[in-house]
Amino acid sequence: AQTVTQSQPEMSVQEAETVTLSCTYDTSESDYYLFWYKQPPSRQMILVIRQEAYKQQNATENRFSVNFQKAAKSFSLKISDSQLGDAAMYFCAYRRYGGSQGNLIFGKGTKLSVKP
Amino acid sequence: DVKVTQSSRYLVKRTGEKVFLECVQDMDHENMFWYRQDPGLGLRLIYFSYDVKMKEKGDIPEGYSVSREKKERFSLILESASTNQTSMYLCASSPPGGLYNSPLHFGNGTRLTVT
Repeated sequence: AQTVTQSQPEMSVQEAETVTLSCTYDTSESDYYLFWYKQPPSRQMILVIRQEAYKQQNATENRFSVNFQKAAKSFSLKISDSQLGDAAMYFCAYRRYGGSQGNLIFGKGTKLSVKP
Repeated sequence: DVKVTQSSRYLVKRTGEKVFLECVQDMDHENMFWYRQDPGLGLRLIYFSYDVKMKEKGDIPEGYSVSREKKERFSLILESASTNQTSMYLCASSPPGGLYNSPLHFGNGTRLTVT
């Protein structure tokens, strides 16, 4: 069974600085998808970024980028120029390729605080 | 924009009560999901449905059932609520399985307290 591990329960960053959140996963499959979700205090889960395992190029969305290391099964999220609005729980998630259901397997989350 | 609406933001129920959590999505998505979120445990899948009247157990289905009579609505049922079911419940939907990199779209969650 696939598992997703986020080893940092809490992280803190100074406003305008850069922070990296770690995520590792375990799978025997070669094709899959990875996601980072953000959950602010409003509780709405928001997609931050996604990565297809077959793509070697790391995904980027504005200030958010990933470091995808397929061989190491690592999928870290880098937030540049951190803003107060980035404070939230961040969840890493895995979706297997194939099948019809498409459910995600989530890590336990990392709580990010942003200091002014 | 996809909208997933959960009928209650907060709910307080007594032990032994039958509880219904309702979720409606407006994007004609085939897939719908119920997750439970607990501190330190992340999100765990309770049940999902890939079509009307179809359902599959997730990782923690014990004590729960679901109903999907219409495509847009997916209900989570606690037949006899217990205190260990106090939690945050998140509903989500997504397009059909062929669009695997499509994200799940989540509702705002229902915080259920069972006393």
